[in-house]
Amino acid sequence: DQQVKQNSPSLSVQEGRISILNCDYTNSMFDYFLWYKKYPAEGPTFLISISSIKDKNEDGRFTVFLNKSAKHLSLHIVPSQPGDSAVYFCAASASSNYQLIWGAGTKLIIKP
Amino acid sequence: DADVTQTPRNRITKTGKRIMLECSQTKGHDRMYWYRQDPGLGLRLIYYSFDVKDINKGEISDGYSVSRQAQAKFSLSLESAIPNQTALYFCATSGTRKNIQYFGAGTRLSVL
Repeated sequence: DQQVKQNSPSLSVQEGRISILNCDYTNSMFDYFLWYKKYPAEGPTFLISISSIKDKNEDGRFTVFLNKSAKHLSLHIVPSQPGDSAVYFCAASASSNYQLIWGAGTKLIIKP
Repeated sequence: DADVTQTPRNRITKTGKRIMLECSQTKGHDRMYWYRQDPGLGLRLIYYSFDVKDINKGEISDGYSVSRQAQAKFSLSLESAIPNQTALYFCATSGTRKNIQYFGAGTRLSVL
């Protein structure tokens, strides 16, 4: 049973517009959430994270929102740029063991 | 130079062969991890190590073994490779910020 779900395998967005990537989780013990970005032939790289004590974290063009009651988080990229084209993974962990549980990823394509 | 280096980058082997994937890091991190990624799935944890003397099984350890030769080196072995071990394998490390992991570029393994 997948504890972290990214229901959209792919997403296409016009350059300059907002990209919104979504992630749902089922385990209420998760208290830390991360987004990673992956280019082809490279490993995932850390992008942004959020603790369960917050509902929003912002870093430049990237903002992560956490809705604990809905067990849902989202990553907003504004404005979207061609270099943002990549696969985005959502991951979650519990402070009891710090193991990351990963979603299947969403491939973001930014159209010129 | 990469902080987390995996060798080889690509490997083709035959069923029943023993194979070793190697990972070395220059980040000075104590924690190291091995994951596999299959199409349509997120990363799944095979083994992890919190220090040289502490090795733990992850979600999918059957058919795999590991060796932590030093703080900087963590190897993954497939004792007798089988075709369903064909996958992309990633090594990762984490330091004082235990939730944030840093990845190598991956090893693409094909078992024929």
